[in-house]
Amino acid sequence: GQNIDQPTEMTATEGAIVQINCTYQTSGFNGLFWYQQHAGEAPTFLSYNVLDGLEEKGRFSSFLSRSKGYSYLLLKELQMKDSASYLCAVKGSGNTGKLIFGQGTTLQVKP
Amino acid sequence: EPEVTQTPSHQVTQMGQEVILRCVPISNHLYFYWYRQILGQKVEFLVSFYNNEISEKSEIFDDQFSVERPDGSNFTLKIRSTKLEDSAMYFCASSVGQETQYFGPGTRLLVL
Repeated sequence: GQNIDQPTEMTATEGAIVQINCTYQTSGFNGLFWYQQHAGEAPTFLSYNVLDGLEEKGRFSSFLSRSKGYSYLLLKELQMKDSASYLCAVKGSGNTGKLIFGQGTTLQVKP
Repeated sequence: EPEVTQTPSHQVTQMGQEVILRCVPISNHLYFYWYRQILGQKVEFLVSFYNNEISEKSEIFDDQFSVERPDGSNFTLKIRSTKLEDSAMYFCASSVGQETQYFGPGTRLLVL
C-alpha cells in the first residue's frame, strides 16, 4: 500500500525554527517533494529530494533518508506569512510522474 | 514567470450535468496532470497525460471522466454526469520532465 504520514498541526513562534516530519511507505520511490499551500490556493513547489541528504534553499531546507522512509522540512526565521499547510508528496515507481500526497501539516505562526 | 492557468475559477452545476474544466499548462511542458482536493482532505491524483495519451489514471478516474488536449495549449478535464461527491477543488499541473510539477490556481466545483 501507499502511506504518507505527517503531523496534522503545528504551532511555532515568529522568528523561530520549525521542523515538519514526513514518513512514507510507498511501492517504489522516485523522489520526494514539499509543497506549501495557503488556504484555498494551489500547492506551490518548495523542494525536491531524490538522494539522501540535505537540500538548502534560503530559509527552507529539506532532508531525505531513503533507507528510513523519512523526510523533514526545516523552516528558519519564521514569518507570519509562513502560516500555511505543508504537503509532503512522493513520486512512486513508474514513469508517469504521479504524486502521492500526505494529508498536509497546518503550521500556525504566532507573533 | 510562466504559470499554469485554469478556468473557470468557480463552477456550480446540477447533479447529472456535464462540466468541462480547462487548463493552459506552461508552454514548454510535456507532462500534464489533474488532481483534486475535497475540502479538508488531501490532494489526490486523478490522471497523468503525456504524448497525447493517458499514461496513468487513478481509481477515482472512472468512465465519467475524460481528458483531452484539443490543441497545442489547452488541457481539459470533462466530467460527463456529475455527482454530489465530485464537489472539490480541481488542480491542473504540468512539468517539463518528470520532476517538479507546477500547479494551477484550481477550479472549485460545487455539485448541487
